[in-house]
Amino acid sequence: DGGITQSPKYLFRKEGQNVTLSCEQNLNHDAMYWYRQDPGQGLRLIYYSQIVNDFQKGDIAEGYSVSREKKESFPLTVTSAQKNPTAFYLCASSINAPTGELFFGEGSRLTVL
Amino acid sequence: KNEVEQSPQNLTAQEGEFITINCSYSVGISALHWLQQHPGGGIVSLFMLSSGKKKHGRLIATINIQEKHSSLHITASHPRDSAVYICAVFIIQGAQKLVFGQGTRLTINP
Repeated sequence: DGGITQSPKYLFRKEGQNVTLSCEQNLNHDAMYWYRQDPGQGLRLIYYSQIVNDFQKGDIAEGYSVSREKKESFPLTVTSAQKNPTAFYLCASSINAPTGELFFGEGSRLTVL
Repeated sequence: KNEVEQSPQNLTAQEGEFITINCSYSVGISALHWLQQHPGGGIVSLFMLSSGKKKHGRLIATINIQEKHSSLHITASHPRDSAVYICAVFIIQGAQKLVFGQGTRLTINP
């Protein structure tokens, strides 16, 4: 079955550590996105990529980094520079720019201890 | 003021009731999405609209471009409809991007 797989589902990190969240899709979608969700707020865009080897900053990119070496994969690294990293992170993809139907992963919940 | 506002923020109803969730936006858009987020956190796309009305099972979504307003209706609601419903719009002015509402938490009691 086609879909988006995020891992891990839950992750604990000590302050000062970098962590990488995985996002893999087998939908043959060109566009992939990373969103952050905090309680009481709408999803906010961290980074997006419309094609392999290219990505753009979203509204809250500071403290995060991404890569898009393969069409299927769009990992997100939460660096120690991110001041408030505890959040729920969602990866999404669409066949093209956000006017296409969005497909989401199950999310990764990161807690910084 | 947020570019996308949903109402109500929370809604509790009895099984079988007709449910309406509203989404208003203040900017020009090319498309509007209705999404459903289950308690585990995963999100499913319900509808993508640019005009008119769409129906899927017990769910109906409408959009009025002139009034900058969309509604999501659920007929014959069921406890399994309990979820957070999110409206998102693709803005075409300035930096083109998808902007999300805060979500409406729906609880259907048996």
